Amino acid sequence: SQTIHQWPATLVQPVGSPLSLECTVEGTSNPNLYWYRQAAGRGLQLLFYSVGIGQISSEVPQNLSASRPQDRQFILSSKKLLLSDSGFYLCAWNEGAQAYTFGSGTRLTVV
Amino acid sequence: AQTVTQSQPEMSVQEAETVTLSCTYDTSESNYYLFWYKQPPSRQMILVIRQEAYKQQNATENRFSVNFQKAAKSFSLKISDSQLGDTAMYFCAFMNRGAQKLVFGQGTRLTINP
Repeated sequence: SQTIHQWPATLVQPVGSPLSLECTVEGTSNPNLYWYRQAAGRGLQLLFYSVGIGQISSEVPQNLSASRPQDRQFILSSKKLLLSDSGFYLCAWNEGAQAYTFGSGTRLTVV
Repeated sequence: AQTVTQSQPEMSVQEAETVTLSCTYDTSESNYYLFWYKQPPSRQMILVIRQEAYKQQNATENRFSVNFQKAAKSFSLKISDSQLGDTAMYFCAFMNRGAQKLVFGQGTRLTINP
């Protein structure tokens, strides 16, 4: 069966520090991968998605970047965090038009 | 661009009651998919139900059912015999056939009271 792992679960980082959030999927090949951000009490905003290794589409211009170095690995990064980068980050995967399966999320607080 | 609107920011019902959450969407496409996701306090996103636009029959999953009105672009979720564990944020979401992106509404916070 397929599983998705996302870590860390919680992260507190100072302004100006770098960021790396990792997401991996097991039990499938060539999944579509997604990074979403959720502000407190709000809906989900799509940040990046990838349909294959090295293929990244950005939805919102921002301080973040994404990479897919391996088929089932998706990384969200920043060189210098801003206060506005705080939020809840969710990784997800799917195939074709199937429903997304989400990771457990990372709560990022930038201080 | 497709948009999804959930007009009820919060709802509250008593345990065992039936509750209906509203969702409308805007699209010029004819082939698409609609979803309801549940996000409990743990913040884990859990798929509740999925509807394919070309199917006229409304999807059901145990106590959860939808009322899909394609012409009206409406996709409401009905929860029957509500339980305390149904307390969560509920998100309606839309995906075009042939596209991968899932567009979410702003969510409805549902509280089931004992």
